[in-house]
Amino acid sequence: AQSVTQPDIHITVSEGASLELRCNYSYGATPYLFWYVQSPGQGLQLLLKYFSGDTLVQGIKGFEAEFKRSQSSFNLRKPSVHWSDAAEYFCAVGASGTYKYIFGTGTRLKVLA
Amino acid sequence: KAGVTQTPRYLIKTRGQQVTLSCSPISGHRSVSWYQQTPGQGLQFLFEYFSETQRNKGNFPGRFSGRQFSNSRSEMNVSTLELGDSALYLCASSFDGLLTDTQYFGPGTRLTVL
Repeated sequence: AQSVTQPDIHITVSEGASLELRCNYSYGATPYLFWYVQSPGQGLQLLLKYFSGDTLVQGIKGFEAEFKRSQSSFNLRKPSVHWSDAAEYFCAVGASGTYKYIFGTGTRLKVLA
Repeated sequence: KAGVTQTPRYLIKTRGQQVTLSCSPISGHRSVSWYQQTPGQGLQFLFEYFSETQRNKGNFPGRFSGRQFSNSRSEMNVSTLELGDSALYLCASSFDGLLTDTQYFGPGTRLTVL
């Protein structure tokens, strides 16, 4: 069965520092992978997605993610974090043969001024 | 264009009552999915509707049900509420519901069961 693991529950970085959020998935074939962000009191907003092709994916708000099949990972990165990036980030995998996503437990990002 | 809207935004009920939540998708979107978000269980898939038909259902008891209307608006109903049903309920819409579609989420309905 498909599953998603986000090992870090909380991450704190200083504004201007680089960021990497980890995501590991379990899936038999090439997965459909997503990163979403949720700000307080808001729904989820799609940052980026990967289906196939180039393993480095660019998203909105300066985020990127790299698909590494050998490591079953899809880590989210940003070179320089802004205070407005403080939010909760969710990695998700699309369950093949269905119309649903399986979400990780989320990583809450805190940004220090 | 307008985003996904959910009503009401906040709801307080007592155990044993039932509740109906509403979701209006983005215009032109035919697929609506529902998710339950809790601190302990995270985001869990409830069900997905397309053209008034439920195509997928998550692992929730029969107390959780939904429907979709011809204009793609969707409702979910929870009967005989339990304390554990307290959660943020999110709906998402997409054009076809395919995994390659982008899902757009609404702001959610926060349900508190006392």
